Amino acid sequence: QPVLTQPPSSSASPGESARLTCTLPSDINVGSYNIYWYQQKPGSPPRYLLYYYSDSDKGQGSGVPSRFSGSKDASANTGILLISGLQSEDEADYYCMIWPSNAWVFGGGTKLTVL
Amino acid sequence: EVQLVESGGGLVQPGGSLRLSCAASGFTFSSYWMSWVRQAPGKGLEWVANIKQDGSEKYYVDSVKGRFTISRDNAKNSLYLQMNSLRAEDTAVYYCARETGPFDPWGQGTLVTVSS
Repeated sequence: QPVLTQPPSSSASPGESARLTCTLPSDINVGSYNIYWYQQKPGSPPRYLLYYYSDSDKGQGSGVPSRFSGSKDASANTGILLISGLQSEDEADYYCMIWPSNAWVFGGGTKLTVL
Repeated sequence: EVQLVESGGGLVQPGGSLRLSCAASGFTFSSYWMSWVRQAPGKGLEWVANIKQDGSEKYYVDSVKGRFTISRDNAKNSLYLQMNSLRAEDTAVYYCARETGPFDPWGQGTLVTVSS
């Protein structure tokens, strides 16, 4: 199964924005896949945040604030989770996920610290 | 309320077997694909297996093929994971999740520890 690459850690201050990336291997075109994003806080199961395919095909999880949004950078073959107006409660691990071929694949996760 | 409750975890010796269960409620279980996802202590998420609504299609991560079997009983609203030939690297919290495109929701998980 392919590997989705996420930076192990990221940090930002309250009120700022955090841009979390999920880079696909070169043989998988990010433009062809839904990118799903999850948030996980210590001691809790993951929570579904949103998916992004294109600006006209995207979806938000139930109760997920609009501060969380998705996008893609085709030139970098990367999916992006943008969290604007950071709050202390956004400190968590974030995972991306795709279904490239007969298997779900998660990224390694990014630990977001809100300073 | 949509709910998933896992059970069956515990301590097992290397080479042993364990059967996990996931009880679903609050939705029409037979209408959804279901998945198992695991998380080793301090590590990230790893998808393990999934199963189609009627059980006719099943997929597995390479590392468990031939050792783990996913199944379901729609009459009992239950999902199962039979784990054989367990290894130390199978130690993890195992979550069941409903597939609606994304995994949503997830259960609280059950801990499987493989150790002598």
